[in-house]
Amino acid sequence: DVKVTQSSRYLVKRTGEKVFLECVQDMDHENMFWYRQDPGLGLRLIYFSYDVKMKEKGDIPEGYSVSREKKERFSLILESASTNQTSMYLCASSLQVNQPQHFGDGTRLSIL
Amino acid sequence: GDSVTQMEGPVTLSEEAFLTINCTYTATGYPSLFWYVQYPGEGLQLLLKATKADDKGSNKGFEATYRKETTSFHLEKGSVQVSDSAVYFCALRAYNQGGKLIFGQGTELSVKP
Repeated sequence: DVKVTQSSRYLVKRTGEKVFLECVQDMDHENMFWYRQDPGLGLRLIYFSYDVKMKEKGDIPEGYSVSREKKERFSLILESASTNQTSMYLCASSLQVNQPQHFGDGTRLSIL
Repeated sequence: GDSVTQMEGPVTLSEEAFLTINCTYTATGYPSLFWYVQYPGEGLQLLLKATKADDKGSNKGFEATYRKETTSFHLEKGSVQVSDSAVYFCALRAYNQGGKLIFGQGTELSVKP
């Protein structure tokens, strides 16, 4: 079974802090994705990556950046956290672009 | 742009009732369509999928048929159980846009004994 692991289930940070959310997958998947989930809005794509050191902007990249130095790890970075970034963040991976995405359990991030 | 619209929740049903969750989409070309389910405290799991018109996806008693003429992919189950209580997301993957998924807003289902 594919395992997508997000480093924290719950995280509380302060406005202006630099925040790192980590995601690791164990199935040698090429593609990795970061979404945020908000009530009434579903999931929205922040960034995705097709390969090591490659990244593409999703629908809502503002205020975020990503890093993919190794194939199995995809990090989401909030450069200067703001209260409107309080949300549930979900990481996903897929073997190829036309294969189903497998999701982690999510990180619930609160920015105070 | 491409979009997915789901019926609003929450939906509350009694055990063994019939379930329908409506999903319609807007997309150019020929998208693939998905239903994902999110149980409390967990991430999303793929429930079923359909990749072309008239395909029927099915899993765990759930079904959905890809209807191009009505741009719909409604989720149905003949007899729901308490364990089906979850949030259900309809999603599309647009043709020729890589692996990007576009999700509906989610529909919360609560099944009472």
